Amino acid sequence: DAGVTQSPTHLIKTRGQHVTLRCSPISGHKSVSWYQQVLGQGPQFIFQYYEKEERGRGNFPDRFSARQFPNYSSELNVNALLLGDSALYLCASSLVGQVAGGSPYEQYFGPGTRLTVT
Amino acid sequence: AQSVAQPEDQVNVAEGNPLTVKCTYSVSGNPYLFWYVQYPNRGLQFLLKYITGDNLVKGSYGFEAEFNKSQTSFHLKKPSALVSDSALYFCAVRDPAGGYQKVTFGTGTKLQVIP
Repeated sequence: DAGVTQSPTHLIKTRGQHVTLRCSPISGHKSVSWYQQVLGQGPQFIFQYYEKEERGRGNFPDRFSARQFPNYSSELNVNALLLGDSALYLCASSLVGQVAGGSPYEQYFGPGTRLTVT
Repeated sequence: AQSVAQPEDQVNVAEGNPLTVKCTYSVSGNPYLFWYVQYPNRGLQFLLKYITGDNLVKGSYGFEAEFNKSQTSFHLKKPSALVSDSALYFCAVRDPAGGYQKVTFGTGTKLQVIP
């Protein structure tokens, strides 16, 4: 079975521009989460989507938005790009044991999209 | 709020020696704990998890981790290190009472296995 896929692999944008990153989860996984990993740091949680609804949001500005489609794929959008948005953006999919509580299931990560803002 | 601390930025160990990568956590209730490994320019790969039950958890590639509730620790261990184990290791925690699926990662520990 295919793992989590992300596109594009690399992206170079200019400050002020907008970017859309895409993610396809593992077949059967209905939950998708997005993380930002700045060089030298651990991944920081941005969003979690399950059944097309936002289930959680990290401490990121409103310039960051996301959505999940009926086939459970997802897009992360970032508006008005800043130099500080340069990072590896990771998508992860998982099963979900409970919607209201924490899931015991591990996440499976895609290879990431490397975004460089100049 | 949930948090994870990995006190060592880098751990060096000789090939064939046992290795330990340390992790401590803070959550309001009983935690779900995870270890992931990241190779250069790659996404994270799941190694093992603790949900409940036996405090010693076995995972992929010969790794294991010991959950210690009194010390709020979840250290990653391997009896005999391989050069191919050299990578970046992340500890992560999820609070089941958190209301959603947020996972908090540590800052990572670089493991260097010396031939």
